[in-house]
Amino acid sequence: DVKVTQSSRYLVKRTGEKVFLECVQDMDHENMFWYRQDPGLGLRLIYFSYDVKMKEKGDIPEGYSVSREKKERFSLILESASTNQTSMYLCASRPGTGSSYEQYFGPGTRLTVT
Amino acid sequence: GENVEQHPSTLSVQEGDSAVIKCTYSDSASNYFPWYKQELGKGPQLIIDIRSNVGEKKDQRIAVTLNKTAKHFSLHITETQPEDSAVYFCAATYGNQFYFGTGTSLTVIP
Repeated sequence: DVKVTQSSRYLVKRTGEKVFLECVQDMDHENMFWYRQDPGLGLRLIYFSYDVKMKEKGDIPEGYSVSREKKERFSLILESASTNQTSMYLCASRPGTGSSYEQYFGPGTRLTVT
Repeated sequence: GENVEQHPSTLSVQEGDSAVIKCTYSDSASNYFPWYKQELGKGPQLIIDIRSNVGEKKDQRIAVTLNKTAKHFSLHITETQPEDSAVYFCAATYGNQFYFGTGTSLTVIP
């Protein structure tokens, strides 16, 4: 079974703090994604990565950065957390093109910025 | 980019009845359409998917239909059970990017 794990289920941070959200997948997937999920807005893509050290902006990258130094790990960084970044953050991974299209999601990290 | 609209946002059905959730998409290049179920406190999980060269797919009580001309696809759940209660998301994809609908909260009333 594919497993995508996220470092924290719940996180509370203060405005202005630098926040790291970690995601690890164990199936050697090339592609990894970070989404945020807000009521009424569905899942919105923040960043994705199709290879180590490669990254692409999604629909809402402002205020976020990412790092992928190893294939299995994809980190989301909030450089200076703000209250409007309070949300559920979901990480996902997917095999490279040519195989299954399915995205596998982690359990999510609920971040509260006060 | 792609725009996916999903309706209804909430749906309540009696146990044993059918539930239908509909999505429309805007980009005719989209070629893969998954449906995800998200239970409380968990990440979304794929329940069924369909590719653009297929019009319908069924897996036990769950089916998905795709109308490429009209650019819409639907999820059908028959003989609903309380454990079907969850939030359901549709998505349309082209290449690496998945575009999700806003979700439907389904409640099955015993």
